[in-house]
Amino acid sequence: DTGVSQNPRHKITKRGQNVTFRCDPISEHNRLYWYRQTLGQGPEFLTYFQNEAQLEKSRLLSDRFSAERPKGSFSTLEIQRTEQGDSAMYLCASGREVDEQFFGPGTRLTVL
Amino acid sequence: DQQVKQNSPSLSVQEGRISILNCDYTNSMFDYFLWYKKYPAEGPTFLISISSIKDKNEDGRFTVFLNKSAKHLSLHIVPSQPGDSAVYFCAAKGPQGASYGKLTFGQGTILTVHP
Repeated sequence: DTGVSQNPRHKITKRGQNVTFRCDPISEHNRLYWYRQTLGQGPEFLTYFQNEAQLEKSRLLSDRFSAERPKGSFSTLEIQRTEQGDSAMYLCASGREVDEQFFGPGTRLTVL
Repeated sequence: DQQVKQNSPSLSVQEGRISILNCDYTNSMFDYFLWYKKYPAEGPTFLISISSIKDKNEDGRFTVFLNKSAKHLSLHIVPSQPGDSAVYFCAAKGPQGASYGKLTFGQGTILTVHP
């Protein structure tokens, strides 16, 4: 059990650029979640995958955000035309059961 | 609207004493509650959970109490150790999205345990 991994751990980009983050869940975990955490706040739900199907998206996920999990294993989160307000920690979690979520270390995005 | 609230941004206790972290929620449809611990540069780590049909759950030094009528839960750590120093998040499952495990988090409480 190697845990949930996320890459990159840190990303600095200029406003208007596109960025992509990757999440590798724990092997055989069919549930995968993305959350966003800003300074002084708890994580906020963004989206949920069961296997390769994206079953829920928060209204926080604007049209500039897209997430995929093409083969039901790793997932990517892309932000197009980044804005300074997108600066946050992006957390991925995976689980087998509905009451368990194991979190990765997160990707810290800074938009200049 | 903040459906899960942790009103104490920080808490400082002496090693060996009890730490009590509090959490309030507004939606009575939440059916499952969890506490996570987070160290800097790491993701949240699950600590302990409680179903809404119970009022207490214990795991070693950690006990979670749920008062449904008051919509309040608390995490007790006894005895507190310096290694417990971290940010503690309260989370609730649901109400929307309970079927797939969507979590709603509080803002977190920074616990510092002094030797």
